[in-house]
Amino acid sequence: DIQMTQSPSTLSASVGDLVTITCRASQNVDNWLAWYQQKPGKAPKLLIYKASGLQSGVPSRFSARGSGTEFTLTISGLQPDDFATYYCQHYKRYPLTFGGGTKVEVK
Amino acid sequence: QVQLVQSGAEVKKAGASVTVSCKASGYTFSSYGINWIRQAPGQGLESMGWTSPYNGDTNYAENFQGRLTLTTDTSTTTAYMELRSLRSDDTAIYFCARAGVVGPTRAFDIWGQGTMVTVSS
Repeated sequence: DIQMTQSPSTLSASVGDLVTITCRASQNVDNWLAWYQQKPGKAPKLLIYKASGLQSGVPSRFSARGSGTEFTLTISGLQPDDFATYYCQHYKRYPLTFGGGTKVEVK
Repeated sequence: QVQLVQSGAEVKKAGASVTVSCKASGYTFSSYGINWIRQAPGQGLESMGWTSPYNGDTNYAENFQGRLTLTTDTSTTTAYMELRSLRSDDTAIYFCARAGVVGPTRAFDIWGQGTMVTVSS
């Protein structure tokens, strides 16, 4: 199975900050990588598909890059609505796996 | 609009079975797969398995082999997740999500609202 490792697990930040979250895959997943945002009590929301594709309706302050085994999600100018938990997920092959999550909290 | 609407919360005894439904609307049901994901309280996301309404194909995560059955009913555009021999550590929120129709070809762009399943001993 492909293991997905996110860092950090928790990130303290302020409104307006530049935030970067890293996701590493234990094997090559090419660009079959998605990023999701989840708020308490809600279903996850797709932000990024195919490593860098911005999902329709997602603000342009979200960006992502990477391929193979190293990926990053960047929020340029953190907004109050962005405090949430973020997950990466590969969809290279079954079984699909998620990273452990990164909680972005108020500093 | 495109949406997945899941059935309501369930409380089950250990050893019982639970079935959660996921009603799709706003898109061609047989053109996308359905993946099931669960989240234990305070924990991360775990993919359970995938099913295709197009041809009935399924793929189950090893953790659930033998206990999980995923099905779809194209006449009602509904997907079902049956989990048997429930244990206390199956207590979780169960989500359905729209996925690739022939395999892991797309990210999960539409999610159901989640169904809380509580297993008591």
